[in-house]
Amino acid sequence: DTEVTQTPKHLVMGMTNKKSLKCEQHMGHRAMYWYKQKAKKPPELMFVYSYEKLSINESVPSRFSPECPNSSLLNLHLHALQPEDSALYLCASSRDRNQPQHFGDGTRLSIL
Amino acid sequence: GQNIDQPTEMTATEGAIVQINCTYQTSGFNGLFWYQQHAGEAPTFLSYNVLDGLEEKGRFSSFLSRSKGYSYLLLKELQMKDSASYLCAVLGSTLGRLYFGRGTQLTVWP
Repeated sequence: DTEVTQTPKHLVMGMTNKKSLKCEQHMGHRAMYWYKQKAKKPPELMFVYSYEKLSINESVPSRFSPECPNSSLLNLHLHALQPEDSALYLCASSRDRNQPQHFGDGTRLSIL
Repeated sequence: GQNIDQPTEMTATEGAIVQINCTYQTSGFNGLFWYQQHAGEAPTFLSYNVLDGLEEKGRFSSFLSRSKGYSYLLLKELQMKDSASYLCAVLGSTLGRLYFGRGTQLTVWP
């Protein structure tokens, strides 16, 4: 069990669908992150939010759109994804950007 | 560029001690983190070093030498459940951006 909650746990979608991944933490952390992880590879950073503002975008394609509605929530909006986007999507949070990051259980995404 | 090196695989027996090394070259340094990741699961935070020396946390310890760009994770009294991938990650000059090594797959045999 982690204190970072991600929903859904699994998602299968077609290339024309629009869906959203959700992440929630109630630890009072002010930094939140999205990562993508492929099998047998380390996590790859996608986005960093600090105090609800986007601070890092790792040149992620525009078909991925992050949103931070408040300090506890982080969303990742998905649209027109490609089969190569199939992966485990991890959300993490930390007290601040120089502190240890704590990961949620992830959403396993499959694109048909 | 950023470079984080750790061995790909290690094996050990139950009850033994294993040391997983990590060397790094990064632009700037704001901390080194170790994570454990079981297959199909999310990474779990294990330890964090920002100053030189040893940090101990139960069966797990982590050491850092900033001058040598070197860290190790020491696991004592190994158990079967310790079989997992261990990820070394460095926080460089850009806060929030962790540079991960490729992970060390540890297999613990009975």
